Amino acid sequence: DAKTTQPPSMDCAEGRAANLPCNHSTISGNEYVYWYRQIHSQGPQYIIHGLKNNETNEMASLIITEDRKSSTLILPHATLRDTAVYYCIVRSPNAGGTSYGKLTFGQGTILTVHP
Amino acid sequence: EAGVAQSPRYKIIEKRQSVAFWCNPISGHATLYWYQQILGQGPKLLIQFQNNGVVDDSQLPKDRFSAERLKGVDSTLKIQPAKLEDSAVYLCASSGRIPADTQYFGPGTRLTVL
Repeated sequence: DAKTTQPPSMDCAEGRAANLPCNHSTISGNEYVYWYRQIHSQGPQYIIHGLKNNETNEMASLIITEDRKSSTLILPHATLRDTAVYYCIVRSPNAGGTSYGKLTFGQGTILTVHP
Repeated sequence: EAGVAQSPRYKIIEKRQSVAFWCNPISGHATLYWYQQILGQGPKLLIQFQNNGVVDDSQLPKDRFSAERLKGVDSTLKIQPAKLEDSAVYLCASSGRIPADTQYFGPGTRLTVL
């Protein structure tokens, strides 16, 4: 699976948009970009995923560049409850080999939302 | 829909003792994962089951860790004997029938080895 690079930490004011970047320059054509977050003392929570097109759900928006080498997770109106570690993961959908759809987590970005 | 259940939530043991963790996945999910998360790091996959069978246990320290998933539903992860470096949060996740399905995580079990 392709490796991802994220800033170790970011700050955001409550009510403002939080834009979390992720670089995945070695991504392959069939690999998806997944975002999870982990609030203190909880298990990781699925946020969103995408392949090529931008995606939006009730939690966030995912913007993937045309060359797919980077992406941005957008929380449109951050709240204090969005303070968490955010993980960007590139995941192969294929069975077999060494992947079999597993998630390989990096260090993630610690997002702190301030009042 | 009920999420992934894990127990216990916390466990404190002394080194060389044994310990077991239990996971009940989301109903109907064929794939079950156990992850280890050491403080300050992201989760690391230990073992992945597809129904009853193991599809990936390359990162499982097999001299002390074992896992089983009887009847393709619940799973247990065991450590025997425990070492200090096994102190971590053990996370269980499940997903649907195909590997590409989204994984959903349980709350984890925090293990402290003294």
